[in-house]
Amino acid sequence: DTAVSQTPKYLVTQMGNDKSIKCEQNLGHDTMYWYKQDSKKFLKIMFSYNNKELIINETVPNRFSPKSPDKAHLNLHINSLELGDSAVYFCASSQDFGQDGTFGPGTRLTVT
Amino acid sequence: GENVEQHPSTLSVQEGDSAVIKCTYSDSASNYFPWYKQELGKGPQLIIDIRSNVGEKKDQRIAVTLNKTAKHFSLHITETQPEDSAVYFCAASFLYGGATNKLIFGTGTLLAVQP
Repeated sequence: DTAVSQTPKYLVTQMGNDKSIKCEQNLGHDTMYWYKQDSKKFLKIMFSYNNKELIINETVPNRFSPKSPDKAHLNLHINSLELGDSAVYFCASSQDFGQDGTFGPGTRLTVT
Repeated sequence: GENVEQHPSTLSVQEGDSAVIKCTYSDSASNYFPWYKQELGKGPQLIIDIRSNVGEKKDQRIAVTLNKTAKHFSLHITETQPEDSAVYFCAASFLYGGATNKLIFGTGTLLAVQP
């Protein structure tokens, strides 16, 4: 199946821990994104990469560090997790910037 | 500033009725407006989009209209069915760093279609 996939789907962890979320797309898109959806369903862009290069960084705390080993993968590492980091994180991809994106299924992160 | 306002936040209709969701955007330079449907526990899925050189676009039971002068666009769903129940998001493209674009999303509309 052509799609955007994320692992894990659920992540429960304690404050202060470090965790990673992985994302892969097999759509051949050049651009990948991380979005955060909070408890009120508000969806906000965090990062965008184009062909492994960071293009958009939306004033996200530097505890969040994206990494793109190749244009089909975009991972998100989070250091020193805080309660406020609890949210659903979506990976997405598109052929061009700011255009129609295909979203992954999301990773629900719960920090206790 | 960068802003997309979406109304209403919740909408309940009877099966077979029409549903309309409205959005306004702040930047007259925005030129791309997608609509996404998000079902419970899933990621948003693109259902229709429109570009600024077009005033209206239709795909079966869904249509989007764009008024560039007023900076607002709307989603119209006709003959609603229970499976249309979901959260709908509008979005608009905004210039980022002078060279690229990003999508800013509205706050979402929870549509409930009563059978």
